Amino acid sequence: EIVMTQSPATLSVSPGERATLSCRASQSVSSNLAWYQQKPGQAPRLLIYGASTRATGIPARFSGSGSGTEFTLTISSLQSEDFAVYYCQQYNDWLRGTFGQGTKVEIK
Amino acid sequence: EVQLVESGGGLVKPGGSLRLSCAASGFTFSSYSMNWVRQAPGKGLEWVSSISSSSNYIYYADSVKGRFTISRDNAKNSLYLQMNSLRAEDTAVYYCARDDAVDYWGQGTLVTVSS
Repeated sequence: EIVMTQSPATLSVSPGERATLSCRASQSVSSNLAWYQQKPGQAPRLLIYGASTRATGIPARFSGSGSGTEFTLTISSLQSEDFAVYYCQQYNDWLRGTFGQGTKVEIK
Repeated sequence: EVQLVESGGGLVKPGGSLRLSCAASGFTFSSYSMNWVRQAPGKGLEWVSSISSSSNYIYYADSVKGRFTISRDNAKNSLYLQMNSLRAEDTAVYYCARDDAVDYWGQGTLVTVSS
């Protein structure tokens, strides 16, 4: 099983600042990496797929990069609605998706 | 509009069974692999089970293998999860989710396993 490791567990950021979240895979997943945002009481929402492609309707302040085993989600200027938990997920291993443990982005 | 609507959750005793259903609409259901993802209270997301578009390929997480069975009925645009021998650690919100990079999620159905 491919293990996904996210860091940090919690990120404290002030509104308007940049947030950088990391995700590492235990083996190469090529570019088959997605990022999700989840707010309390809601289902996750797809932000990024293919490591760097924004999903429909996702603002340009969200960007993804990386390939192989190292990935980054960057939120260029945090808005109030961006404070949430973010998960990465690999889907290179077909039908055997695995998630990272999540990064909580909180208000500093 | 794509919609995924789960049903079948509830309170069950340890060792009991439940069958979750997911009704899909707004897309060609038979063209997509489908998944069940769960989230225990206050915890992260766990990929539980997946089924290919034609049911030829199925995957289970080790935590549920031998106890859960995923199935689908493309004629009825429906996905199912039969859960047997339920344990306290199966308590979670169960989401129906479309495709490998999940672009659509249901609202979730809560399964509580407790005596």
